[in-house]
Amino acid sequence: AQKVTQAQTEISVVEKEDVTLDCVYETRDTTYYLFWYKQPPSGELVFLIRRNSFDEQNEISGRYSWNFQKSTSSFNFTITASQVVDSAVYFCALSGSGSRLTFGEGTQLTVNP
Amino acid sequence: ETGVTQSPTHLIKTRGQQVTLRCSSQSGHNTVSWYQQALGQGPQFIFQYYREEENGRGNFPPRFSGLQFPNYSSELNVNALELDDSALYLCASSLVGTRITYEQYFGPGTRLTVT
Repeated sequence: AQKVTQAQTEISVVEKEDVTLDCVYETRDTTYYLFWYKQPPSGELVFLIRRNSFDEQNEISGRYSWNFQKSTSSFNFTITASQVVDSAVYFCALSGSGSRLTFGEGTQLTVNP
Repeated sequence: ETGVTQSPTHLIKTRGQQVTLRCSSQSGHNTVSWYQQALGQGPQFIFQYYREEENGRGNFPPRFSGLQFPNYSSELNVNALELDDSALYLCASSLVGTRITYEQYFGPGTRLTVT
């Protein structure tokens, strides 16, 4: 069985602060994929990143960065210099060979001006 | 490139009724997955369709059924609606290859309310 845990239900920061969203996963698959999605109030899930289990290189895309650590089964997401437009629910998700996504419960991020 | 579209946007049904939700996949994608997202929770996998056949199913009863058409669009049908079926239903399309799983792109969802 696969499981994704996002322990932080809600996070509130002031604009320009850095914020890290935690994600811990469980899987028995040797090959798997990790994802982050953003869900703004409109409801549509927006794809942010995909990582496969063989690639532990950290990734940076603009103000976003991801830290994948297989040893601790974690795939954390950091937003640098947060902006009000970053306010949304963020989901971490996992898929194995079957490509179905198992989502965490999400973290509600609120960035205050 | 056309993204994933879903219809209708909102729907209100009465308990016991049946409902059909529709999804058009993104151009070039061959797989459609459906998810149910209850308020305040993460999406739950319902099932996936690949080449017009069900290719995996989550923990949902048989009254949840689906179809995929030759143009890769899809329908989700729910019979004998229950109050707990009230949720946001999300469709996602992806390209499934022989050795790799690509990211899934989601539509805007259909908000179903059962009264």
